[in-house]
Amino acid sequence: QSALTQPASVSGSPGQSITISCAGTNSDVGAYSFVSWYQLHPGKAPKLMIYDVNKRPSGVSDRFSGSQSGTTASLTISGLQADDEADYFCSSYTTSNTVLFGGGTKLTVL
Amino acid sequence: QVQLKESGPGLVKPSETLSLTCTVSGGFIDSGDDFWHWIRQPPGKGLEWIGYISYSGSTSYNPSLRGQVSISFDTSKNQFSLKLPSVTVADTAVYFCARGVGAIFFDYWGLGALVAVSS
Repeated sequence: QSALTQPASVSGSPGQSITISCAGTNSDVGAYSFVSWYQLHPGKAPKLMIYDVNKRPSGVSDRFSGSQSGTTASLTISGLQADDEADYFCSSYTTSNTVLFGGGTKLTVL
Repeated sequence: QVQLKESGPGLVKPSETLSLTCTVSGGFIDSGDDFWHWIRQPPGKGLEWIGYISYSGSTSYNPSLRGQVSISFDTSKNQFSLKLPSVTVADTAVYFCARGVGAIFFDYWGLGALVAVSS
């Protein structure tokens, strides 16, 4: 099983929008609507930002949204804020009853 | 509010067994529909799913981990544990425990525990 493919880095200025892609296969991302996204700040517990492709947990800003087309999922962050600067990972359930993560994307807020 | 905390040795010698425990508070590991996962992040790399144990005791593991990893729980202590035998330097990582809704997503995580494999 290979990791899901994410860009290594993205950047944007405060107030702008950015999108992070997460490419998989028909055995993971394309098989179900079970993609989730996590925010990692150094020294903090990872935080669930999106689950089931486009659902937000309680307490997560509506500036975060998710979508999926075929075997590629995406996380969009609108109205970028300094605190959004972090590493972001996508994850997908697979047809083998296992979990795959993406390689991670470092978001820099300029 | 569910809280998870990893504990265990921060240094393990090559070829020995890595053992970590996750203590859960704010919920019972053998009730509900929860799945309890281990996930790791080697330095400078991405997250890697290790495996889970469900509330009923069923398990699933990452097939890339040589088939030797095992996850178990101790309901009397509300803990679940990871054992990874015959470790190498490549097993050096921050190890996270997390609660999963099945294997679909992870809604609560621990802070992580750094385990270095070195002689």
